[in-house]
Amino acid sequence: NAGVTQTPKFQVLKTGQSMTLQCAQDMNHEYMSWYRQDPGMGLRLIHYSVGAGITDQGEVPNGYNVSRSTTEDFPLRLLSAAPSQTSVYFCASSYPGAFGYTFGSGTRLTVV
Amino acid sequence: SQQGEEDPQALSIQEGENATMNCSYKTSINNLQWYRQNSGRGLVHLILIRSNEREKHSGRLRVTLDTSKKSSSLLITASRAADTASYFCATAVSGSARQLTFGSGTQLTVLP
Repeated sequence: NAGVTQTPKFQVLKTGQSMTLQCAQDMNHEYMSWYRQDPGMGLRLIHYSVGAGITDQGEVPNGYNVSRSTTEDFPLRLLSAAPSQTSVYFCASSYPGAFGYTFGSGTRLTVV
Repeated sequence: SQQGEEDPQALSIQEGENATMNCSYKTSINNLQWYRQNSGRGLVHLILIRSNEREKHSGRLRVTLDTSKKSSSLLITASRAADTASYFCATAVSGSARQLTFGSGTQLTVLP
């Protein structure tokens, strides 16, 4: 099925550990983004990409790295996990211009 | 910072009634989008309205946009229990349509 696939769905990390959240889309979308959602809040943009090899920071980029080597994949790396990074992470993709985004089902991350 | 703010934060109605949610934003926009999120799931794109449009329909959804007041409303007619979800507005700021900024959402409960 076409869409945005995120792995893993759940993850528990210890403070200081690093990990990569995977995101892949098969719709040939140029735009891809990572958001985090905290309880009772909307989504906040972490990083985004407008095409392979091009990334930029969003509203809350600290503690996260991204790269975009292919159109399909946009992994999010947590460098040294902190309890403040406990959240639900969503990846989304879109065509350029005025189009809606397709979201993945999310990764629920807990940092202890 | 959040560009969009939804009102009300929570809304409870009976099946068959109409539900209206409002969104206010702060800066000039390229377009405004509405998304639905069922509990524990990713976001689903509902409808997009461009800055030069005033009203748009999609099935039981009606969206209005007033750029002079920097506000939008989402009307769901003849609501169903399956419409129970959180609804978010998201704005794509002029000159940066690649980024979406989300509000904190309206939790809609439709009682059978």
